[in-house]
Amino acid sequence: EVQLVQSGAEVKKPGESLKISCKGSGYSFATYWIAWVRQMPGKGPEWMGIIYPGDSDTRYSPSFQGQVTMSADKSISTAYLQWSSLKASDTAMYYCARRYSSGSYPYWGQGTLVTVSS
Amino acid sequence: QSALTQPASVSGSPGQSITISCTGTNSDVGGYNYVSWYQQHPGKAPKLIIYEVNNRPSGVSNRFSGSKSGNTASLTISGLQTEDEADYYCSSYTSTSTPVVFGGGTKLTVL
Repeated sequence: EVQLVQSGAEVKKPGESLKISCKGSGYSFATYWIAWVRQMPGKGPEWMGIIYPGDSDTRYSPSFQGQVTMSADKSISTAYLQWSSLKASDTAMYYCARRYSSGSYPYWGQGTLVTVSS
Repeated sequence: QSALTQPASVSGSPGQSITISCTGTNSDVGGYNYVSWYQQHPGKAPKLIIYEVNNRPSGVSNRFSGSKSGNTASLTISGLQTEDEADYYCSSYTSTSTPVVFGGGTKLTVL
């Protein structure tokens, strides 16, 4: 069974750094693209970017380029999303999702709620 | 403002059929057969229910169907059930610098 399990909820202050994780199991982790998706409260999902764990090839949406960093460690089947300096506007639910076809994501993590507040 | 336009809400009674529209442009919905639909219940992750315009993943009820005409895609749910009450999002591959765009979502209420 394909599973993506994300790290737990985080509460941070503005300016702090953060790295959240997404661990895949039940499939060959290195050979499927993993996307990160932001969903702000009451809003639709936003595609942030995507990483290929096999060689860490990464593509970012222009809206998120320079704001976050995606990485992956295929040896432990885990993808990461990190911020160097959080802002209050980063408060959202973040999902990882495994890609099937272009724009289609059949497998999702349970989400990681990030709250940034002073 | 989301890249794809959906109605904010739709409603129907148990047993009825409803259709949710998703309007884009020639650069996304109209240009590719890579439209997907997701169902999201409160507090849960999105669930893929339609991919590549009109294909259902294994295990998804055949009450869900998808179609596309020009720049508008549609999701039809037939034989509405109370458990269908959820938010529904369309998405599409796009030729712009962000390869995947989502709609703003439609809240389905089953009366």
